[in-house]
Amino acid sequence: GQQLNQSPQSMFIQEGEDVSMNCTSSSIFNTWLWYKQEPGEGPVLLIALYKAGELTSNGRLTAQFGITRKDSFLNISASIPSDVGIYFCAENAGGTSYGKLTFGQGTILTVHP
Amino acid sequence: DGGITQSPKYLFRKEGQNVTLSCEQNLNHDAMYWYRQDPGQGLRLIYYSQIVNDFQKGDIAEGYSVSREKKESFPLTVTSAQKNPTAFYLCASSVSESGSPLHFGNGTRLTVT
Repeated sequence: GQQLNQSPQSMFIQEGEDVSMNCTSSSIFNTWLWYKQEPGEGPVLLIALYKAGELTSNGRLTAQFGITRKDSFLNISASIPSDVGIYFCAENAGGTSYGKLTFGQGTILTVHP
Repeated sequence: DGGITQSPKYLFRKEGQNVTLSCEQNLNHDAMYWYRQDPGQGLRLIYYSQIVNDFQKGDIAEGYSVSREKKESFPLTVTSAQKNPTAFYLCASSVSESGSPLHFGNGTRLTVT
């Protein structure tokens, strides 16, 4: 099946620092999604991207759908302790079932106060 | 409040026993999904259902079974044929329309010894 390469695998940062993570794929996709998962909970959708080149913000989060449609990045500005969690990129290859997602391996974010 | 309820939160079983994980949603979503999560890996799709009385295998369906008798409910049975059943299981739902995001439950952690 499809494979997404997400990096970095983990990040340890100080409160207030900016964070950047990305996902790449060998295939072209129609949708890029970014989810955050906190311990013991299900992932929550942060940002959805539907068009190549699209740049979307959600508060301190910014994500972009790469122009080649094979990559995406997520930036978090001025990190705070509650940003801790696992961040996943996910893509949908199209078709009628938009819940059939392929997920990256996740980026574990730790923020030190 | 609308949402997805997974129960129980933690489940322990002996090897060789079948076990059924519950997932109920009151979002009036047409589509429902089961994902499996292992440490250090992204979520992998087990089964999905786009309408009542219909379901399809995902990427790792072997050793699992599902039913979709009601729109609100999509139980997952982990059978004794699943060779490595210990994992975190996540149920999700979505409106079956273009671009609709997945909403996840808070998961069931299954431990088989």
